[in-house]
Amino acid sequence: DAKTTQPNSMESNEEEPVHLPCNHSTISGTDYIHWYRQLPSQGPEYVIHGLTSNVNNRMASLAIAEDRKSSTLILHRATLRDAAVYYCILRDIQGAQKLVFGQGTRLTINP
Amino acid sequence: NAGVTQTPKFQVLKTGQSMTLQCAQDMNHNSMYWYRQDPGMGLRLIYYSASEGTTDKGEVPNGYNVSRLNKREFSLRLESAAPSQTSVYFCASSEGTGRGYEQYFGPGTRLTVT
Repeated sequence: DAKTTQPNSMESNEEEPVHLPCNHSTISGTDYIHWYRQLPSQGPEYVIHGLTSNVNNRMASLAIAEDRKSSTLILHRATLRDAAVYYCILRDIQGAQKLVFGQGTRLTINP
Repeated sequence: NAGVTQTPKFQVLKTGQSMTLQCAQDMNHNSMYWYRQDPGMGLRLIYYSASEGTTDKGEVPNGYNVSRLNKREFSLRLESAAPSQTSVYFCASSEGTGRGYEQYFGPGTRLTVT
């Protein structure tokens, strides 16, 4: 499984944008970039995924670097409910059926 | 739409007891998964079912069995529980197992084996 690197923790303020970085320098051309989050005492929740182009959905935006060696999850206007652990996951052809969760980034939102 | 549901929410077992964790999804998904999450750790895949009638081992299958009862339901059985199986168990489903599909998770079953 290709490896991702994320900061252990980040902090932001309510109603401000949040940019969560992820490095994946060994990504291959066919790996998808997925983001999930896990709120306290809950199951993981799908956020967004992409391959090469930037992606937007109702929850967030995903900005993928041109060389695909890094990506950024953008929460446009953070709320207290966005406090969670955010996981950046690469999905390759060999291990496509599973999600490999690393340590993720613990996001704290200040009121 | 309930999504993915799991029962029970909590369970305490003694070493050597058996139990079955139940999972159901109402999204008409083809693929279903069982993960475990130990304290402070990421999730690890136990077993998965790519489609009705098939099951395959994941990273940590020892001590577990699974049954894909029908398209909606996927159960996980512990035949002889051990303290090392104390964990939170999550069921998930997706349209397919390809790397472009997202997985949807249930709320989890918190299992303690004493």
